[in-house]
Amino acid sequence: QVQLQESGPGLVKPSQTLSLTCTVSGVSTSSGDYFWSWIRQSPGKGLEWIGYIYYSGGADYNPSLRSRVTISVETSKNQFSLKLSSVTAADTAVYYCARATSTSRASRYFDLWGRGTLVAVSS
Amino acid sequence: SYEVTQPPSVSVSPGQTASIICSGDKLGDKYVSWYQQKPGQSPVVVIYQDTKRPSGIPERFSGSNSGNTATLTISGTQALDEAAYYCQAWDSSVIFGGGTKLTVL
Repeated sequence: QVQLQESGPGLVKPSQTLSLTCTVSGVSTSSGDYFWSWIRQSPGKGLEWIGYIYYSGGADYNPSLRSRVTISVETSKNQFSLKLSSVTAADTAVYYCARATSTSRASRYFDLWGRGTLVAVSS
Repeated sequence: SYEVTQPPSVSVSPGQTASIICSGDKLGDKYVSWYQQKPGQSPVVVIYQDTKRPSGIPERFSGSNSGNTATLTISGTQALDEAAYYCQAWDSSVIFGGGTKLTVL
């Protein structure tokens, strides 16, 4: 059974860097069939795509977050990670890792999601 | 930047047909996916590439996309379909609609 599981601190101080890891089971992150993604949802709000990475290391980010985001993949551990720098209260959200199909970019969609992890930004 | 718009809420009676729209400039030229999210749960894709249904999704879920509007249709709506629904498309990056809360009265 394919599963994604987020892990990381639930509380981050303002101006610090938020770091999360997604552990993948049941499928290899070195598969060329998928992109590995991060998506967040602020409390009571909608979904916001953060970015994704391919097994080769190629990544694409939301332009509104690009200057603060780094997504990396560690295929030996079957994990991928998110780093978001200079966080503020506006970055408080449930962070999901998700799998995106590697069809053409325009037709790509998210076919599997983790359960999500709440990260609060507060001093 | 490109935006898609959804109505905040839609209500439907059990057994009736619910239609949830997603609007955007020339949206019909893009592929649209739809996600269902129940309270406290992760989103689940119910329609992808405008009209395709993943395995395990009931046949009562269908989708269409033309002109400036994509539509998610739920035929014979059941109480368990009560959830938030999000449309998603691509422009220069991934775009999500603001979500529609479907209430089954």
